[in-house]
Amino acid sequence: GPKVLQIPSHQIIDMGQMVTLNCDPVSNHLYFYWYKQILGQQMEFLVNFYNGKVMEKSKLFKDQFSVERPDGSYFTLKIQPTALEDSAVYFCASSLRTGGTGQLYFGEGSKLTVL
Amino acid sequence: QQQVRQSPQSLTVWEGETAILNCSYENSAFDYFPWYQQFPGEGPALLIAIRSVSDKKEDGGFTIFFNKREKNLSLHIKDSQPGDSATYFCAASEGGRALIFGTGTTVSVSP
Repeated sequence: GPKVLQIPSHQIIDMGQMVTLNCDPVSNHLYFYWYKQILGQQMEFLVNFYNGKVMEKSKLFKDQFSVERPDGSYFTLKIQPTALEDSAVYFCASSLRTGGTGQLYFGEGSKLTVL
Repeated sequence: QQQVRQSPQSLTVWEGETAILNCSYENSAFDYFPWYQQFPGEGPALLIAIRSVSDKKEDGGFTIFFNKREKNLSLHIKDSQPGDSATYFCAASEGGRALIFGTGTTVSVSP
């Protein structure tokens, strides 16, 4: 089936540093998402992105977070500066239609460890 | 406040039994309810979904029963197999907005 690729699979950084998580979504998809998962538990919505803009974001999407997809390349999540509580697995997803009605395809996650 | 709740947190069934996973929600405006299956080390994948205009949806050995009045739904996994061992997430959305996931139920199927 369609694949969403995430790079890196695992990153360890010191608190206060910047990190960029990269996502290569399914090629013809139009909607992009980031979710955060801690300890294999609940998937928490962070943000969705469409047509170059943030469409919706949750309270977890702090001011230190930003997303972009320059020139149709990787969809990125940047955290600057990082905090200890940002340690989690971040999942990127994409869909052809809005996620409320369309199937989301998830990547395998990027595990972020903040020391 | 948790918008989508699942129970139990974990469940063990014998091979061949039916596993029943429960989900309840707060927002009566939710109109789309997919279930996602996640294996360790992987991202979730869509398993089956139902819209609020229906009360039942079947796909293979998976069935969703939906009760709009009570604001709850359940996923039945018939004839469970060890390969069905995974974490199952109930999710919900309103009018095309982002999916909100529940807390998950981890199912173990013993041979």
